[in-house]
Amino acid sequence: QQQVKQSPQSLIVQKGGISIINCAYENTAFDYFPWYQQFPGKGPALLIAIRPDVSEKKEGRFTISFNKSAKQFSLHIMDSQPGDSATYFCAASRTSGATNKLIFGTGTLLAVQP
Amino acid sequence: EPEVTQTPSHQVTQMGQEVILRCVPISNHLYFYWYRQILGQKVEFLVSFYNNEISEKSEIFDDQFSVERPDGSNFTLKIRSTKLEDSAMYFCASKNLGAEGEQFFGPGTRLTVL
Repeated sequence: QQQVKQSPQSLIVQKGGISIINCAYENTAFDYFPWYQQFPGKGPALLIAIRPDVSEKKEGRFTISFNKSAKQFSLHIMDSQPGDSATYFCAASRTSGATNKLIFGTGTLLAVQP
Repeated sequence: EPEVTQTPSHQVTQMGQEVILRCVPISNHLYFYWYRQILGQKVEFLVSFYNNEISEKSEIFDDQFSVERPDGSNFTLKIRSTKLEDSAMYFCASKNLGAEGEQFFGPGTRLTVL
């Protein structure tokens, strides 16, 4: 129940295309869903996050779509650029808990080809 | 911009030796975390620390692990007797009180156990 499932494992997109990464969770107590971007040799960096009271959140070229009934959420990267090439992790957390620990998905390696 | 820092960036040790990984969280943050990432795998929660005590630990965080906040700025992870399977990237993260789940990660320490 603590798992967050992420797909695809890897993704190749042409420059200017749309990258879509999907995640699913089981624990309905989760109420905070961030996406982290990680470049090789670096720590994860928060990209965008959403709470389940909204169905979509957009920040620049990055959009999270959230489907509470299906317990799924996805990251859309519009106009993908070579600089977006990185590993993307979805995560989930229960902010009412004592720790707010993050449960991460397995990651998606995105390669944007010029 | 404030950031989480970690030292050393790379630690090589012999199996059975003790290692201490150091972190300086963002100065006004109150929640501290250690995560690890085995090469090519997802980021896994190890332990959370708040108000000078462990608030939650995972099943990975056994008796060989300990954490400490020895002064007002440092947060350390000690592994008493390292095993080969402890080889991983170890990330420190911190979070402010009231910030909705937003954890800021350090650049990580790569631990190699020979």
